[in-house]
Amino acid sequence: EAGVAQSPRYKIIEKRQSVAFWCNPISGHATLYWYQQILGQGPKLLIQFQNNGVVDDSQLPKDRFSAERLKGVDSTLKIQPAKLEDSAVYLCASSLGEQTQYFGPGTRLLVL
Amino acid sequence: AQKVTQAQTEISVVEKEDVTLDCVYETRDTTYYLFWYKQPPSGELVFLIRRNSFDEQNEISGRYSWNFQKSTSSFNFTITASQVVDSAVYFCALSEARSSASKIIFGSGTRLSIRP
Repeated sequence: EAGVAQSPRYKIIEKRQSVAFWCNPISGHATLYWYQQILGQGPKLLIQFQNNGVVDDSQLPKDRFSAERLKGVDSTLKIQPAKLEDSAVYLCASSLGEQTQYFGPGTRLLVL
Repeated sequence: AQKVTQAQTEISVVEKEDVTLDCVYETRDTTYYLFWYKQPPSGELVFLIRRNSFDEQNEISGRYSWNFQKSTSSFNFTITASQVVDSAVYFCALSEARSSASKIIFGSGTRLSIRP
């Protein structure tokens, strides 16, 4: 069974530029999560989708971050415009509704 | 509010030693799940175990074992006869069990280094 796929793996941009990350969850997993992991910290949930609906986006900085999961399968997370403090690893995870989340390899973002 | 504390920021041991990673949690829920994840240098979080709050039985999987004690709100993880490949950051995590897809609260992680 294929795991959670993410791209790109690495991205370097300058502040005020825009960037987008893509995630394809495990086939059949209805729930998809985006996390931000700053160096030296545990992952922090940004947004959670159940199929194509948002369940929790309370920690998403909505002035610059947006995410969508239009067809209830893959998802895109966008940052516009990026700030220096957005430098982090962005992790995507999915679950079948059984509480266990399976994570992708992450996208390492560096904002200069 | 839910909270997970991993007081050990870094641990370094020599190969073949046993090592225990501590995890203390706080929650007002009576039903919840506890997890351990491993994050090797490649960056991907690897699921190790999930424990339901009603199941206090300790679990052993090969060289890994977990000790869940509700009385002290702890869910500690022991690696027996450690190996260099065990070097990683280990995260303890907690989620409520009220819905089928609840968010996970992660601790800050413990960086484990196994020296040859």
